[in-house]
Amino acid sequence: TQLLEQSPQFLSIQEGENLTVYCNSSSVFSSLQWYRQEPGEGPVLLVTVVTGGEVKKLKRLTFQFGDARKDSSLHITAAQPGDTGLYLCAGVRDTGFQKLVFGTGTRLLVSP
Amino acid sequence: DTAVSQTPKYLVTQMGNDKSIKCEQNLGHDTMYWYKQDSKKFLKIMFSYNNKELIINETVPNRFSPKSPDKAHLNLHINSLELGDSAVYFCASSLTGGKTNEKLFFGSGTQLSVL
Repeated sequence: TQLLEQSPQFLSIQEGENLTVYCNSSSVFSSLQWYRQEPGEGPVLLVTVVTGGEVKKLKRLTFQFGDARKDSSLHITAAQPGDTGLYLCAGVRDTGFQKLVFGTGTRLLVSP
Repeated sequence: DTAVSQTPKYLVTQMGNDKSIKCEQNLGHDTMYWYKQDSKKFLKIMFSYNNKELIINETVPNRFSPKSPDKAHLNLHINSLELGDSAVYFCASSLTGGKTNEKLFFGSGTQLSVL
C-alpha cells in the first residue's frame, strides 16, 4: 500500500492546455513537497507547503495543500514542452524530514 | 562544482558480484541519504546518515552496506548482487535532516543493471 497516491499516472497533452495533478493520502503530513525529475537526473524541489489550505504559486504552477494536510494538488496553466517530466509529491511526517515519503509519480508529456 | 555528485553514472554487472557507488556533497550538509528508484519510478529511502551516524535503515537487505567516512561522503556497497537490485540509486543530502521544511538535493543517479 502506497502512502501517497498520485493521479493521473500519465498525462499527455498539447502545449497551451491546463492540467492538474493530485496527491492523496489517508495520513496527515507536517508538510508536503513537490519535485520535478527529468530523464537521467535527480528530482529537483519545486515547492514546500506547510500550512493546511496553503496555496503557493511558481509562475504558471499553482500548488495547494489540503485543509486537513492529507492531500495536495499541482495545477499547471498553459503547459509548455519545458514542463515535461516526472512530478513527485513527497510528504514529511511528524517523525522528521528524514522520513520523507514520496508519491507514486505523474509522468507529464507536453507536445508542441 | 556539482552540489551532490555520485559515481558511476552507469553500472552493469553480473549476478553475484560486489559493487560500490560513491557519493560526495559540497554543500556542508549534515545529513545524507540513499534512495532507490524502481522501474515504475517509485522513489524509496534506503538509508539516512547524520554526521556519519546511521539514522535510518529502511529494512534494506544486509547485502547493502552504507559507509560514511565523513559527513560529506556516503558510499554504498552492495554484496552478492541480485537481479532485483537493478534500479536507479540516488544519493541526496539535506541541511540538518531535522526540520520539516528542508530541501533534498539529489545527485544525478546511478543506473545499476544486474545481468
